[in-house]
Amino acid sequence: EPEVTQTPSHQVTQMGQEVILRCVPISNHLYFYWYRQILGQKVEFLVSFYNNEISEKSEIFDDQFSVERPDGSNFTLKIRSTKLEDSAMYFCASSVSELADQSVDEQYFGPGTRLTVT
Amino acid sequence: AQSVTQPDIHITVSEGASLELRCNYSYGATPYLFWYVQSPGQGLQLLLKYFSGDTLVQGIKGFEAEFKRSQSSFNLRKPSVHWSDAAEYFCAVGAVGGRRALTFGSGTRLQVQP
Repeated sequence: EPEVTQTPSHQVTQMGQEVILRCVPISNHLYFYWYRQILGQKVEFLVSFYNNEISEKSEIFDDQFSVERPDGSNFTLKIRSTKLEDSAMYFCASSVSELADQSVDEQYFGPGTRLTVT
Repeated sequence: AQSVTQPDIHITVSEGASLELRCNYSYGATPYLFWYVQSPGQGLQLLLKYFSGDTLVQGIKGFEAEFKRSQSSFNLRKPSVHWSDAAEYFCAVGAVGGRRALTFGSGTRLQVQP
């Protein structure tokens, strides 16, 4: 069964450093997402991406964050200058969304990347 | 803005017992509703979803959920819990009208006693 994959599974970085989290969405999916889960807290939406541009973003997704689809398979989240409070599990998700009359469909999540900022 | 409430932070049941996890949502229209499960160290796995139609939906692993518009609820149920069901369960709401972001509840951690 196709699945969303994420690398690395765990990333440790120093405050102020740039990190890139990588995701390979399911191959025929058109929408891509990043969510994060700070330890002990809710899963929070960061951004959605469609047709090579951001379609929606949350207040959390400020100028230090960016997303990119550098090739036909990868989807990345870059944090430009990490802060301690960026420590969290970051989940990538993807969905098919071929139906014109369906705004929301099933999102399939990857296993996550645990980011630790020291 | 939409919101999701899972009133039970932690539930313990005995193996073989029935289970009901509560979820209440706040949204102006009929939302799209989901239940996800997260096992320790794992990602989120979709258990079931409600978009429209029959208000009782069946999911994987023997789970079902019932949408009750009058109560703004989407409770998850299982008639007989297995030890492997121990995990964290998240209810989520997706909005109509172009917004794709899922809004998650705070989760319910399920422990299963032998």
